[in-house]
Amino acid sequence: NAGVMQNPRHLVRRRGQEARLRCSPVKGHSHVYWYRQLPEEGLKFMVYLQKENIIDESGMPKERFSAEFPKEGPSILRIQQVVRGDSAAYFCASSPAQGKETQYFGPGTRLLVL
Amino acid sequence: AQSVTQLDSQVPVFEEAPVELRCNYSSSVSVYLFWYVQYPNQGLQLLLKYLSGSTLVKGINGFEAEFNKSQTSFHLRKPSVHISDTAEYFCAVTLSGGYNKLIFGAGTRLAVHP
Repeated sequence: NAGVMQNPRHLVRRRGQEARLRCSPVKGHSHVYWYRQLPEEGLKFMVYLQKENIIDESGMPKERFSAEFPKEGPSILRIQQVVRGDSAAYFCASSPAQGKETQYFGPGTRLLVL
Repeated sequence: AQSVTQLDSQVPVFEEAPVELRCNYSSSVSVYLFWYVQYPNQGLQLLLKYLSGSTLVKGINGFEAEFNKSQTSFHLRKPSVHISDTAEYFCAVTLSGGYNKLIFGAGTRLAVHP
């Protein structure tokens, strides 16, 4: 069974460019969460999506950040016009349902903005 | 709102010694509690979780945790650590009965020395 897959594992961008982070959840999981981990900090919730729907984006910056989870294909976290402060590890997690279900985490994408 | 405090940012310990990593949470409603481990440059792996029932929870790799409602704590323990336990440990909570957006503590770095 494949776990949560994220790509790329490492991404380098210059200020002002766009970053696209992909997350393929565990097969059969319809709930996806994105978290951001800044250096030397814990993970912070960004957004929660079910297939084709954003359920909670309260942790995501209002500008430059967007997320989607289409009916077919991976979930995408998109950061437009990146700035140095966006440098962080971005983790995706998936679960089969809400409530008591354990979230399974991917290996993360480490974004470096030069 | 919920919050999680991990009281120790770093815990050094000798191999085969016991260890306790402390976690306190704040919430006005019932929560589920989790401990995750993160090895360098990897994603998070679930160690154990408390949903309900027995307050002593056993997890993988010989770890256990005890839920104490009166003290709002969920401390992680292992009676004898190994070098391979060196990692970052995160305590997290989520609302019981709701969707499981995780609120993480800042993490505790466990360093096991020979």
